[in-house]
Amino acid sequence: DAMVIQNPRYQVTQFGKPVTLSCSQTLNHNVMYWYQQKSSQAPKLLFHYYDKDFNNEADTPDNFQSRRPNTSFCFLDIRSPGLGDAAMYLCATSRDGGGFTEAFFGQGTRLTVV
Amino acid sequence: GQQLNQSPQSMFIQEGEDVSMNCTSSSIFNTWLWYKQDPGEGPVLLIALYKAGELTSNGRLTAQFGITRKDSFLNISASIPSDVGIYFCAGAGTYKYIFGTGTRLKVLA
Repeated sequence: DAMVIQNPRYQVTQFGKPVTLSCSQTLNHNVMYWYQQKSSQAPKLLFHYYDKDFNNEADTPDNFQSRRPNTSFCFLDIRSPGLGDAAMYLCATSRDGGGFTEAFFGQGTRLTVV
Repeated sequence: GQQLNQSPQSMFIQEGEDVSMNCTSSSIFNTWLWYKQDPGEGPVLLIALYKAGELTSNGRLTAQFGITRKDSFLNISASIPSDVGIYFCAGAGTYKYIFGTGTRLKVLA
């Protein structure tokens, strides 16, 4: 059974039109992450939540925001998508963030900007 | 952002051959992870390593956590066509997982 679920699997949005991607988890993990992955590159961390505490990576553009209304759900909001934001977006969870546990990933959402 | 050095970048092998890939870092990690990613899918965890020097197997896969805590390798024995994909190593840092550059594996039947 899928433990980290991302919806939708594929999203097409117009240039400049706000879009929201969603992630849910059944693992009851404390930490949730959003990664961006461009074609055949390594995933790049955008931000993470430890419980309700939000932490942005220094190089994450302001165009990307996130919400975590409860333990199970986390959303990625792209306020004004540009062509360069087309990518696979990956949600991941880990039990804690101290560097001693594994991370589990969802199947990803492929975002296309037209 | 920080990345781990992973080699080889890609490899073609014959079905039945053994495969080896490795990952090195300038930083120490407490946990090393190996993932496989199929096209259009998210990374799937293959093996997790928690102690320096640890050698762990998962079926035909064997991975080791380097004694210096700055490297790891993954071996796949007797490769089969479904082993094709991109393999990523990852080091677990504080509130982040730092990925290697990936090894693209293609298996010729």
